[in-house]
Amino acid sequence: EVQLVESGGGLVQPGGSLRLSCAASGFTFSTYSVNWVRQAPGKGLEWISYISTNRNIIYYADSVKGRFTISRDNAKNSLYLQMNSLRDEDTAVYYCATCGTSVYFQHWGQGTLVTVSS
Amino acid sequence: DIQMTQSPSTLSASVGDRVTITCRASQSISSWLAWYQQKPGKAPKLLMYKASSLESGVPSRFSGSGSGTEFTLTISSLQPDDFATYYCQHHNTYPWTFGQGTTVEIK
Repeated sequence: EVQLVESGGGLVQPGGSLRLSCAASGFTFSTYSVNWVRQAPGKGLEWISYISTNRNIIYYADSVKGRFTISRDNAKNSLYLQMNSLRDEDTAVYYCATCGTSVYFQHWGQGTLVTVSS
Repeated sequence: DIQMTQSPSTLSASVGDRVTITCRASQSISSWLAWYQQKPGKAPKLLMYKASSLESGVPSRFSGSGSGTEFTLTISSLQPDDFATYYCQHHNTYPWTFGQGTTVEIK
């Protein structure tokens, strides 16, 4: 069974940093491109970052470019999101999600909540 | 960026109803469209990709159609488990964007 488990969320002050992790199991993680998708409280879904299987292709949404860094460790079956210079508007549930045969989001984790507030 | 617009924003329906949700893209995306279902407090669930390809395990009462800029998700006979929020998402090219969501509520 495909499983994705996010961790690392919490309360952080504006301007602070946080590192999210996503642990994958039940499938061959190294053969899937993966993403981070977020959802602000009561709002819709926003794709924020993509990383290819071998890390050679990385994309970011404009809203996080220059502040967030996606990475992966295929040996550890893990995906990461380093979030710096956090803003109030980054408050959201952050999901990791695998790609299907194209960049749609086939399998999702349960999400981890990041709250940016003073 | 490609903008995705769903209609309606909210839909009231009864069990057994046929329900249709529309998603429009600001430019042609061929058939590169996915649909998701999300229930409160839960992660989204993939229903459909490439406009009309049903994800494994998704009931056949869900169907998708369309190409270019206009797409529909149809639930042929609404079931109690189907009351949820539905999102479309284009998977044409970076950046990948979602519609704002359509909530299907009990009439």
